[in-house]
Order: sequence, then C-alpha cells, then structure tokens
Amino acid sequence: KAGVTQTPRYLIKTRGQQVTLSCSPISGHRSVSWYQQTPGQGLQFLFEYFSETQRNKGNFPGRFSGRQFSNSRSEMNVSTLELGDSALYLCASSFEGEQYFGPGTRLTVT
Amino acid sequence: AQSVSQHNHHVILSEAASLELGCNYSYGGTVNLFWYVQYPGQHLQLLLKYFSGDPLVKGIKGFEAEFIKSKFSFNLRKPSVQWSDTAEYFCAVMGVGDYKLSFGAGTTVTVRA
Repeated sequence: KAGVTQTPRYLIKTRGQQVTLSCSPISGHRSVSWYQQTPGQGLQFLFEYFSETQRNKGNFPGRFSGRQFSNSRSEMNVSTLELGDSALYLCASSFEGEQYFGPGTRLTVT
Repeated sequence: AQSVSQHNHHVILSEAASLELGCNYSYGGTVNLFWYVQYPGQHLQLLLKYFSGDPLVKGIKGFEAEFIKSKFSFNLRKPSVQWSDTAEYFCAVMGVGDYKLSFGAGTTVTVRA
C-alpha cells in the first residue's frame, strides 16, 4: 500500500497570508491527525478527524483549522500567518490505534 | 493533562553498546504507549507499541520496551546498537478514546562506528 502523502512538501509564505496543506491517508484509513513539529516546541497535536468529524483538537489558535472529505483526504488551513508558524506539519493516518506518518510539509513564513 | 518526559536529550554510543532510553508519562486514565523513530531525512516510523497484555513488547530492528505501570514508565532498549540506529527517538502516549498522541521532546542517539 502507498503511504501517507502530503502536498506540497515545501512552502514559503509571507506573514499575513494564508496556506492550505493537503494529506492523503493510506487507503482504508478513516482517521487523519495533524501535528506541528518545531525545534522549540517539539511535536504538538493540532486536530484529528474521523469520517469527516473532528474528534479532538489541540491548543492552537483559531487561525488553525482543518477538514476531512468523504474520501478521507484531509486539509489544514492556517490563516493570517505569523513567523512562529514556520514548522514541519505532519499528517498521520490511523488504523486500529496505530498512527502512520507522512513526510510532512515544511512551511517557512517570512 | 497528558505529559511525556524523556530523560535524555542526546545519547552518544559506540557500536555494539547497549541502549536504554527512559520515558515517563503522566495521564489520569488508561493509555496506549508508543516509541517512534525518525532517521535523518526520513519521516517518523513506529518502532513498537503497547496496548495491553505482556508489558515487555518487541518491535522492529531488535528494539524492545517495558511498560511498568506502577512507575508510569515505558523504557526503550536495544542490547547492541549499530551505526544505522543513529536517529531521533520519540516516546508517545495516547489516552484510550483520546485520538491524539502526546510526544516527549525526543532523544537524539548518535552511534559512533
């Protein structure tokens, strides 16, 4: 089976802009989670979706949002980008309690 | 709130040495426990997991971990490391029914040939 795919892999944006990241889970996986990875804060949970419903959300401002489509693909959106949003954004799809991670999208905000 | 503490930030070993990485967690309920590894330039991979049953679990590449409930610990071990084990290792906890992983800060392991 193909693994979790994330697009784009790299992104450079300017402060104040918004960005949308995409994640395609492993075929058959209905749960998708998003994480932010930074050198200072480590890996932090953003949100989790199952069958188009958000089941849990981390402690991030409302500028961070997500959604899941009927085919289980997921997107996350960050509005009004700040320099501190520069990070590696990881998507994971889950099956029977195990999370499988994608390669991530490296977002740089200038 | 959940929290995960990894005891070492950076560990340097020679090949064939034994490795043990400590992990303690705080959570007021039943948990599932994981160790993930991130090799240089690669994405996070699951090394092993504990859900229930035998507290000594074996994972890929010769790694094992022991869950000690009374100590809220889930320590990772490997009897003899190789240069290819150079990576960052993350301990993670998920409360049953929580649907989110809480990660430790990670331990960078450098194995010298």
